[in-house]
Amino acid sequence: AQSVSQHNHHVILSEAASLELGCNYSYGGTVNLFWYVQYPGQHLQLLLKYFSGDPLVKGIKGFEAEFIKSKFSFNLRKPSVQWSDTAEYFCAFSPAGGRRALTFGSGTRLQVQP
Amino acid sequence: GAGVSQSPSNKVTEKGKDVELRCDPISGHTALYWYRQSLGQGLEFLIYFQGNSAPDKSGLPSDRFSAERTGGSVSTLTIQRTQQEDSAVYLCASSPRQVQETQYFGPGTRLLVL
Repeated sequence: AQSVSQHNHHVILSEAASLELGCNYSYGGTVNLFWYVQYPGQHLQLLLKYFSGDPLVKGIKGFEAEFIKSKFSFNLRKPSVQWSDTAEYFCAFSPAGGRRALTFGSGTRLQVQP
Repeated sequence: GAGVSQSPSNKVTEKGKDVELRCDPISGHTALYWYRQSLGQGLEFLIYFQGNSAPDKSGLPSDRFSAERTGGSVSTLTIQRTQQEDSAVYLCASSPRQVQETQYFGPGTRLLVL
């Protein structure tokens, strides 16, 4: 069955700390990969996406993610977090060329302390 | 431009009643998705509409759930004889023909079944 595992449910960091959120997916074929973010009181927004090509993708607000095919991973990183990054982060994928509905992880709540 | 809109934003109903949730996708978007997010869970795919094709209903949890999309635009998700386990946030997303893999989410409808 298709699934996404996000290992950290709740992360607390101080401002300027580095961030890495883990994401592993379970699927045997080619995938499109996504990170979505939900800021408090707001709806889900796309942070970044990977379809093909360079496995290191850059998104908005200084976030990046690296696709490692051999590890079925798509970890999200940011070198220096800000208080405004406090949000819930969701990793998701869809089979490339297949049904476009997304399979989501359960989310990681990031709390950045000033 | 306007994003995906959903109504109502909140709905409280009694067990056994029927509810209708509405989604207005971004104008011109050909694909429309419904997901639900239960407390502490990731998003769960429900149903997918693409143009005039038959919808993909593979995610609907029971035959109490149904959805329609009229005129290729507005969609209504109907839950009949609601149960307490139906309590969740119901999210709608749409995507354009040109970049069908990228989904834009609405603010959701928070449903509480008493």
